[in-house]
Amino acid sequence: AQSVTQLGSHVSVSEGALVLLRCNYSSSVPPYLFWYVQYPNQGLQLLLKYTSAATLVKGINDFEAEFKKSETSFHLTKPSAHMSDAAEYFCAVSVGGSQGNLIFGKGTKLSVKP
Amino acid sequence: SAVISQKPSRDICQRGTSLTIQCQVDSQVTMMFWYRQQPGQSLTLIATANQGSEATYESGFVIDKFPISRPNLTFSTLTVSNMSPEDSSIYLCSGLRNTEAFFGQGTRLTVV
Repeated sequence: AQSVTQLGSHVSVSEGALVLLRCNYSSSVPPYLFWYVQYPNQGLQLLLKYTSAATLVKGINDFEAEFKKSETSFHLTKPSAHMSDAAEYFCAVSVGGSQGNLIFGKGTKLSVKP
Repeated sequence: SAVISQKPSRDICQRGTSLTIQCQVDSQVTMMFWYRQQPGQSLTLIATANQGSEATYESGFVIDKFPISRPNLTFSTLTVSNMSPEDSSIYLCSGLRNTEAFFGQGTRLTVV
């Protein structure tokens, strides 16, 4: 069965600092992995996805994530945080490769300090 | 990308009543899903809404409590029936197109 663990329910960084949000997955089949962002009072927006192509995936707003099979990880990074990045971030894995039925991590709330 | 309009965006309901949430997609999607996000929790899949047939429910969710309709490829409803305070959550619909899942803005439900 698939599962997702996000380490750290709350991460705080200074503006301009590196953003690192951690995600580890468990899957009995090659996974499809996703990062979503949820701004206050809004729906989820796809940041990026891994679907068994390049292991380094680039997404919107300069976010990227690297799929590391040996570590079962899919950590999200951004070189320089902006105030507008403050939001909740969810890592997700698809079930059976359908890419629609998703299992989500518990989310990480990112705060950005001026 | 797809745009999913979900309504209502929020509601406060009396226990024992029912609420129907609607999701309209701007164009056809192959699959639609309904999720629940309880306070402080992650998203949990309730069911897959199948066009023209009964929804497929996940373990712990039943049709009598969460009846779902999907009359066409762009519209679905979820009803939360006989509500109790434990049903207070955010409910989100999702549509799948071209291997990407799009989400509505969510319905924040409070049951009093």
